[in-house]
Amino acid sequence: NAGVTQTPKFQVLKTGQSMTLQCAQDMNHEYMSWYRQDPGMGLRLIHYSVGAGITDQGEVPNGYNVSRSTTEDFPLRLLSAAPSQTSVYFCASSSPGRGHYEQYFGPGTRLTVT
Amino acid sequence: AQSVTQLGSHVSVSEGALVLLRCNYSSSVPPYLFWYVQYPNQGLQLLLKYTSAATLVKGINGFEAEFKKSETSFHLTKPSAHMRDAAEYFCAVSETNSGYALNFGKGTSLLVTP
Repeated sequence: NAGVTQTPKFQVLKTGQSMTLQCAQDMNHEYMSWYRQDPGMGLRLIHYSVGAGITDQGEVPNGYNVSRSTTEDFPLRLLSAAPSQTSVYFCASSSPGRGHYEQYFGPGTRLTVT
Repeated sequence: AQSVTQLGSHVSVSEGALVLLRCNYSSSVPPYLFWYVQYPNQGLQLLLKYTSAATLVKGINGFEAEFKKSETSFHLTKPSAHMRDAAEYFCAVSETNSGYALNFGKGTSLLVTP
């Protein structure tokens, strides 16, 4: 199993541009989440999904959209990039239905907005 | 909401010395607790987890943690530090034990000196 994969690994955007960060998992996990990591802040939840077609906001959702059309994929869209969105983004998945409350993380996407 | 506090943003130990990283939690229900490790420019890897079973939890790489309800603590320890243990360590609690997201502490950077 590849686990959780994310693309791209690095991205530079100009202010106002849009882009989609891709996330996929091959573990058949029902739950998926997006976090951002900033120095000294730990990880903060952006959006999450508890199944295909079901998404909800986390702690810092402004400026981001998500959708989940399949169990495997959970893309994160930046609508109009701002310098404040410069961060490292992590996708994660879990399967509480099978007793796996821990989250499995992807390798991250490092985004810089100029 | 459940939360965790990590005491000490930086901890330095000598190679071979005891490692102690502190984490205190706040929760209105019996919590599910986790420790993750992040090596430079990598994603988060699960070290160990507590989900209401044994209070002393053993993890990978020789780490263990003890859940102490009376002290609301879940400190991470390792008897003898190795150079390869240098990394960022995060304590996390499952949001309402639902499994869809974790609330992270701000992290503790462990430095191991020769």
